[in-house]
Amino acid sequence: DQQVKQNSPSLSVQEGRISILNCDYTNSMFDYFLWYKKYPAEGPTFLISISSIKDKNEDGRFTVFLNKSAKHLSLHIVPSQPGDSAVYFCAASAAQGGSEKLVFGKGTKLTVNP
Amino acid sequence: GAGVSQTPSNKVTEKGKYVELRCDPISGHTALYWYRQSLGQGPEFLIYFQGTGAADDSGLPNDRFFAVRPEGSVSTLKIQRTERGDSAVYLCASSPNRQGPYNEQFFGPGTRLTVL
Repeated sequence: DQQVKQNSPSLSVQEGRISILNCDYTNSMFDYFLWYKKYPAEGPTFLISISSIKDKNEDGRFTVFLNKSAKHLSLHIVPSQPGDSAVYFCAASAAQGGSEKLVFGKGTKLTVNP
Repeated sequence: GAGVSQTPSNKVTEKGKYVELRCDPISGHTALYWYRQSLGQGPEFLIYFQGTGAADDSGLPNDRFFAVRPEGSVSTLKIQRTERGDSAVYLCASSPNRQGPYNEQFFGPGTRLTVL
């Protein structure tokens, strides 16, 4: 039973356009959400996070939106650059409940074409 | 500064053998985590240390898996009687002990374990 779902295995966008990566979760105890980026043969790199008391968090070209009622979050990258091509993982934890473990989705492979 | 390091980067072993995987967290980080990533999947939680003690080992798949962190810094993941299904990338992460529950985890490059 997957608690964090990334339903798009891949996404392809043109350089300069917006990339939107989606993530759904089922566990209502999750209150902290993170996005990681992973290049081949490297570990995941932390990108941006959001806690459930917010609905938006922005850091440069990256913005994460959280819709608690829909149990949905999305990562917007604008403008997209070829160096953004990687696998993006959504992760969640029930941090306030004392659970430090992250539950990950299966990832979405983003390709940004020049 | 230095990130999380893991050794070895690759480990090939035979079915039934014992392996140890090492993780050096970021200096000063009190929390340390082990995850396992199989092909086509996201990382799956194995165990979490706060200091020297295992605060949550609910992700360890069975008693062949064990992890230690005797001095609250370096950790070793130990796998006994390895099976082909143990083949995966084993990831280590650490996080700082800031006030509040929201601490991002920083990952190492992983150890790719192949059991023949």
